[in-house]
Amino acid sequence: QVQLVQSGAEVKKPGASVKVSCKASGYTFSIYYMHWVRQAPGQGLEWMAIINPAGDSIIYAQKLQGRVTMTRDTPTSTVYMELSSLRSEDTAVYYCARGTAYRGAFDIWGQGTMVTVSS
Amino acid sequence: EIVLTQSPGTLCLSPGERATLSCRASQSVSSTYIAWYQQKPGQAPRLLIYGASSRATGIPGRFSGSGSGPDFTLTISRLEPEDFAVYYCQQYGSSPWTFGQGTKVEIK
Repeated sequence: QVQLVQSGAEVKKPGASVKVSCKASGYTFSIYYMHWVRQAPGQGLEWMAIINPAGDSIIYAQKLQGRVTMTRDTPTSTVYMELSSLRSEDTAVYYCARGTAYRGAFDIWGQGTMVTVSS
Repeated sequence: EIVLTQSPGTLCLSPGERATLSCRASQSVSSTYIAWYQQKPGQAPRLLIYGASSRATGIPGRFSGSGSGPDFTLTISRLEPEDFAVYYCQQYGSSPWTFGQGTKVEIK
């Protein structure tokens, strides 16, 4: 079946970096846009980044610009999100999601990865 | 950035009742680019509606979407026990993609 499976929970210290993976299966990975969305505890959804099918065009949310890097690896059908200079406000569940098009809804979501930033 | 404002923040209803959730956009957005998601505790969001009114695959007919810019509505015709959750609207017509703050539908 179509699914996105993310890597496990992480605990990081302030100032460190984290890299979360998201492996796709059950569909043709190379033709879909992918997104990252995060959700702080008890809060709403915050869009972070989008990458095109070829992996050569990426748009980041302005507030994360310079700290977030999104990449994709077609042979392994995996997308990655790396967030650096972590601060306590980055504590959240991070989701990958498939976009049906550049201007498309997010039709498949990963199960989420909890990232905790604490000293 | 397009800001989406959802109302009410919380909706207290009984099973079998009708739920009406609203979403207002701060700027012009085509209905083509409005989606609704359902999220239950500890779960990822699930796509319900895209293009303002089209149901996603496997979504029951009691869920319907309507509206045109700037006001959009999600209606659940008769609430089932599994429908008590948080609902988010989203616009995906322009970057940055944005979500409303959510409406919680809870059991009365």
